[in-house]
Amino acid sequence: EVQLVESGGGLVQPGGSLRLSCAASGFTFSSHDMNWVRQAPGKGLEWVSGITASGGSTYYADSVKGRFAISRDNSKSMLYLQMNSLRAEDMALYYCAKDQVHASFDVWGQGTMVSVSS
Amino acid sequence: QSALTQPRSVSGSPGQSVTISCTGTSSDVGGFNYVSWYQQHPGKAPKLMIYDVSKWPSGVPDRFSGSKSGNTASLTISGLRAEDEADYYCCSYGGSYTFRVFGTGTKVTVL
Repeated sequence: EVQLVESGGGLVQPGGSLRLSCAASGFTFSSHDMNWVRQAPGKGLEWVSGITASGGSTYYADSVKGRFAISRDNSKSMLYLQMNSLRAEDMALYYCAKDQVHASFDVWGQGTMVSVSS
Repeated sequence: QSALTQPRSVSGSPGQSVTISCTGTSSDVGGFNYVSWYQQHPGKAPKLMIYDVSKWPSGVPDRFSGSKSGNTASLTISGLRAEDEADYYCCSYGGSYTFRVFGTGTKVTVL
């Protein structure tokens, strides 16, 4: 079964850090670009970051550039998102999403919630 | 990196057709045939419904169809059913800088 399972979310104070993880299974992880997409409570989807299959190129939304870092370990089929200098507006459900082709996400995890509050 | 523009809501009666627009720029929607559409029911993860403007993933009924003209993509739901009531989002490739950009989302209500 093709599956993505996120973990690492939680409550953090403004200015704090968190590292999200996404465990992939059921497909050849190293062959696919991967992404993080977030959804604030009651709001729409926002693409956050993406990484190419080899890990050689990374991309970020302007809203997180310089604060977040995406990485992957193809030997472990794992995707990561290091989030630093967290702000209240970063509070959201963070989804891990697999690229099928051409910016289409065919597999999604269940999401991990990040709350930012003092 | 501005979000693609979608209508906030659309509605229709069972059996009718509804169309959702997704307007971007020549740097994203208009520049590539890489628009995808997602259905999201409350409390659930999004589901891919259309990719590459008009292609269906396996298992998606052909009542859902996609098209594009210039900087605007569209999703049409024909033969509307109660289970189609959900939020719908478009997404486009935005080149090597923007990479991916979502639409603002549209709530579809089945009357």
